[in-house]
Amino acid sequence: KQEVTQIPAALSVPEGENLVLNCSFTDSAIYNLQWFRQDPGKGLTSLLLIQSSQREQTSGRLNASLDKSSGRSTLYIAASQPGDSATYLCAPSQGGKLIFGQGTELSVKP
Amino acid sequence: EPEVTQTPSHQVTQMGQEVILRCVPISNHLYFYWYRQILGQKVEFLVSFYNNEISEKSEIFDDQFSVERPDGSNFTLKIRSTKLEDSAMYFCAGTGTKGTDTQYFGPGTRLTVL
Repeated sequence: KQEVTQIPAALSVPEGENLVLNCSFTDSAIYNLQWFRQDPGKGLTSLLLIQSSQREQTSGRLNASLDKSSGRSTLYIAASQPGDSATYLCAPSQGGKLIFGQGTELSVKP
Repeated sequence: EPEVTQTPSHQVTQMGQEVILRCVPISNHLYFYWYRQILGQKVEFLVSFYNNEISEKSEIFDDQFSVERPDGSNFTLKIRSTKLEDSAMYFCAGTGTKGTDTQYFGPGTRLTVL
């Protein structure tokens, strides 16, 4: 059974810092991995999709990496802004369904 | 940009009552999913649906749950007899291709069972 762990559970940084969010998963038989953003009480906004055959994917200030064999993905956020404050979820896809981690709650202070 | 929509945004019901949660997926999507998130917990997979049939369901998705695509556009999740522990945020999602494409999520329905 796929288990997804995200570290740290919470992170508070001053504006402008670069930061890394970590995700690990126990079963490497995945189709792809998505990173999502969730604002309090809201839905899930897809940030990046990285295919199992890819090592990296970039969108603006976000860069996701994937090491499928070791069961790890990282989300790098450059030059963080207060508007980046949210919970970030990683979700590897198995058989089409997404298996979610608990998330990292990010707070960016002005 | 096309969006997934869900209604209602918030549903309050009495224990034992039936509820129907509705979703309108993006029009060219073929694979559909329901997930739920109990307050403070992980998002959990409930069921996947393709070609008017359930593809996969989790152990949460017992006989009290059912899914339908009644008219080719709407996609519904029915809970026949709600329990207190069904209180959660319910999300529908869709994708064009199983496993390789981005899953797009709706804004969710908050279900409160009293």
